[in-house]
Amino acid sequence: GESVGLHLPTLSVQEGDNSIINCAYSNSASDYFIWYKQESGKGPQFIIDIRSNMDKRQGQRVTVLLNKTVKHLSLQIAATQPGDSAVYFCAEDRVDSSYKLIFGSGTRLLVRP
Amino acid sequence: EPEVTQTPSHQVTQMGQEVILRCVPISNHLYFYWYRQILGQKVEFLVSFYNNEISEKSEIFDDQFSVERPDGSNFTLKIRSTKLEDSAMYFCASSVDVNRAFFGQGTRLTVV
Repeated sequence: GESVGLHLPTLSVQEGDNSIINCAYSNSASDYFIWYKQESGKGPQFIIDIRSNMDKRQGQRVTVLLNKTVKHLSLQIAATQPGDSAVYFCAEDRVDSSYKLIFGSGTRLLVRP
Repeated sequence: EPEVTQTPSHQVTQMGQEVILRCVPISNHLYFYWYRQILGQKVEFLVSFYNNEISEKSEIFDDQFSVERPDGSNFTLKIRSTKLEDSAMYFCASSVDVNRAFFGQGTRLTVV
């Protein structure tokens, strides 16, 4: 069902450590996934995407892992910095849609200096 | 770096009034979208637009909502008769194909 309310799961990490943010998606027909970062008062900012024919993709300091068997997506951030503090959303796109992103509930990342 | 721009950044309107939220998508993008985010909740899809017509819309996008691309650069969302529950951040997004939607900074709509 839909998640409602103001209580986001929060991940608190020490600056310099690696962060892993997890997301479960619901539709096995989804074939495209994106991670977005949202800072307070701003719009979602594209981080990295992955298609279902891949299980791993790397960007600059970020890696996305996709496990289709358990419908799980993760975002790994290496050497987390204070500027990484934000809410992170995964989003999925379904093969039968004309591109309609379905967003997850989000995880708040707090980076301790 | 090209970006999606939205105006105004904050709109306050009285219940029952019409509002128009404006967006300038990235210039070579072909797909346009509106999403909304009620405070503290997840981002929700409203509508997608391609080739001058609506491609898909959600159940939220009822008859009080409409979209238009009046010229080659602007993309607007009109809410005909605003309700209190329409208060939210409204995000415009665009993409060059069915990948990588880029979002604007949003318009905060407050209905009083």
